[in-house]
Amino acid sequence: QVQLVQSGPEVKKSGASVKVSCKSSGYSFTSYYMHWVRQAPGQGLEWMGVINPSGTSTNYAQKFQGRVTMTRDTSTRTDYMELSSLTSDDTAVYYCARDVSAGTTSWWLDPWGQGTPLTVSS
Amino acid sequence: SSELTQDPAVSVALGQTVRITCQGDNLRSYSATWYQQRPGQAPLLVIYGDNNRPSGIPDRFSTSRSGNTASLTITGAQAEDEADYYCYSRASSAIHWVFGGGTRLTVL
Repeated sequence: QVQLVQSGPEVKKSGASVKVSCKSSGYSFTSYYMHWVRQAPGQGLEWMGVINPSGTSTNYAQKFQGRVTMTRDTSTRTDYMELSSLTSDDTAVYYCARDVSAGTTSWWLDPWGQGTPLTVSS
Repeated sequence: SSELTQDPAVSVALGQTVRITCQGDNLRSYSATWYQQRPGQAPLLVIYGDNNRPSGIPDRFSTSRSGNTASLTITGAQAEDEADYYCYSRASSAIHWVFGGGTRLTVL
């Protein structure tokens, strides 16, 4: 079955960087975009960005421009999301989610990874 | 602020029907999809495309759209439907995507 398995919990100091991984199985990896979404404690879902199937193009939410880098390794079927200059506001659960589309007007995310909790402390 | 607006909280009596709405100008051009999130769990897709449900999602979940508003309807709400619900669609920029702020559903 289609599955996304993310790396484990992270604890970082303010100013540091974190790199979260998301390993895919059960589908044609190079046929799908991958999105990253985060959720701060008690808050809603926040879209961070997306990487294209070949890993050659990304789109980031303006909020994260200059601080986030999404990459993928097609040989290992793994996506990565690196966030730099961390502050306590970056404490959140980070999810990867596969993009599925129908035509040019409908997109959805399925499945999702299990989430990677990140705690940023001073 | 999100381009998609949802009511923060909605309640429904057990077995009754509830509608959760999502408003945004981008919904005039793009469809919304809906996710259910229970505490401590990853979001789960419940509705996609033209009122399609993934395998395992009960048929009491349905969706509709009118103008700039998309709606998720639960007909005959069950206790296990108590969760947060998020809508999701392409942003008006067309190169970004966006979530609604989420609606917490309480089943009384």
